[in-house]
Amino acid sequence: AQKITQTQPGMFVQEKEAVTLDCTYDTSDPSYGLFWYKQPSSGEMIFLIYQGSYDQQNATEGRYSLNFQKARKSANLVISASQLGDSAMYFCAMPHGGSQGNLIFGKGTKLSVKP
Amino acid sequence: NAGVTQTPKFQVLKTGQSMTLQCAQDMNHEYMSWYRQDPGMGLRLIHYSVGAGITDQGEVPNGYNVSRSTTEDFPLRLLSAAPSQTSVYFCASSPWGDQPQHFGDGTRLSIL
Repeated sequence: AQKITQTQPGMFVQEKEAVTLDCTYDTSDPSYGLFWYKQPSSGEMIFLIYQGSYDQQNATEGRYSLNFQKARKSANLVISASQLGDSAMYFCAMPHGGSQGNLIFGKGTKLSVKP
Repeated sequence: NAGVTQTPKFQVLKTGQSMTLQCAQDMNHEYMSWYRQDPGMGLRLIHYSVGAGITDQGEVPNGYNVSRSTTEDFPLRLLSAAPSQTSVYFCASSPWGDQPQHFGDGTRLSIL
């Protein structure tokens, strides 16, 4: 069965610095994807970035990039030039059984950006 | 752009009452899902559907029923509310392929 592990319950970063949020996963599926979502204090879930297991290059979306190391089964989110608005919960997720309608989430990391 | 619409946004129930959380999407997505979010637990899948007429259980299905009679709607029914079902409920939808799920704004449900 698939499993997502986020080992950092909370992290602090200074404004304008980069930060890495860890995510490790376990799956027996030969093809899979990893998603990252942001949940600000207002509660909505915001999609940030996606990485497919067969993608040759690490995914990037603006200030977000994914450090995907398939052999280590890790898909860490890197946020460059942190902003105060980046303070939020961040969740790593992957489809269960290959179904996009069936995501397994990690427990999340609470990121706090200090001015 | 309505996206995924959940109603109500807040609800208080008494133990034993039943109710239906509504979810509708206007993006013609095939996949729809219900999650609950408890403090420190992340999101856990309750039920999901891969198309009209097809539903399946997720990680925590007990106490909940779903149906998918149309592509647009995916209601979640609580049969007999229990305090353990106090949570924030999210509905989500996604198209086929490696596309992200779109989430509704959530329903905050308290059961006394």
